[in-house]
Amino acid sequence: DTGVSQNPRHKITKRGQNVTFRCDPISEHNRLYWYRQTLGQGPEFLTYFQNEAQLEKSRLLSDRFSAERPKGSFSTLEIQRTEQGDSAMYLCASSLGSGGNNEQFFGPGTRLTVL
Amino acid sequence: DAKTTQPTSMDCAEGRAANLPCNHSTISGNEYVYWYRQIHSQGPQYIIHGLKNNETNEMASLIITEDRKSSTLILPHATLRDTAVYYCIVRAVIQGAQKLVFGQGTRLTINP
Repeated sequence: DTGVSQNPRHKITKRGQNVTFRCDPISEHNRLYWYRQTLGQGPEFLTYFQNEAQLEKSRLLSDRFSAERPKGSFSTLEIQRTEQGDSAMYLCASSLGSGGNNEQFFGPGTRLTVL
Repeated sequence: DAKTTQPTSMDCAEGRAANLPCNHSTISGNEYVYWYRQIHSQGPQYIIHGLKNNETNEMASLIITEDRKSSTLILPHATLRDTAVYYCIVRAVIQGAQKLVFGQGTRLTINP
């Protein structure tokens, strides 16, 4: 257990429905990251926050995706009008500090299945 | 971030040292070499990182060649629990360069 928690762990939804995932980082970590991982591939970066500010978004993050970290603590990732191609593991990670030389601690992930 | 090349899969006998290679021939002077691993159905786990010098911690050793174009992660006494996908990542340390860029990694299987 890294101290990063994600809920739910599994989500099955029908195409077209909206889903929201939550990530609770390690409490003193000011940076929070979202990644997506499809079967057989390494994780792909989606977005990251420093405190409550969203500082970078990948081109993978289409208009149907939105992430928030309103109080600089937990974060939510919402997917609107889900598509079958959204089926993946969604991973959250957190890190401490402002430099690049800081390890990221990952949560267990939320596995999304879109039917 | 520089691209890395790793073998797709490797096998190692339990109790032996597992040596996982990584090529990063286009690495820049301000880029570190990071290793993460991912055990089935879990999130990635940090193992070790280094810039120029060899590094060792309780999990593994990292050997970086003098020209920094390749490195080797060494698990000194592999156990069945070390079966995982191992990712070698090259990452800049400048401000704002925060994301990890994962490749497909090496699937390491430890055999009894």
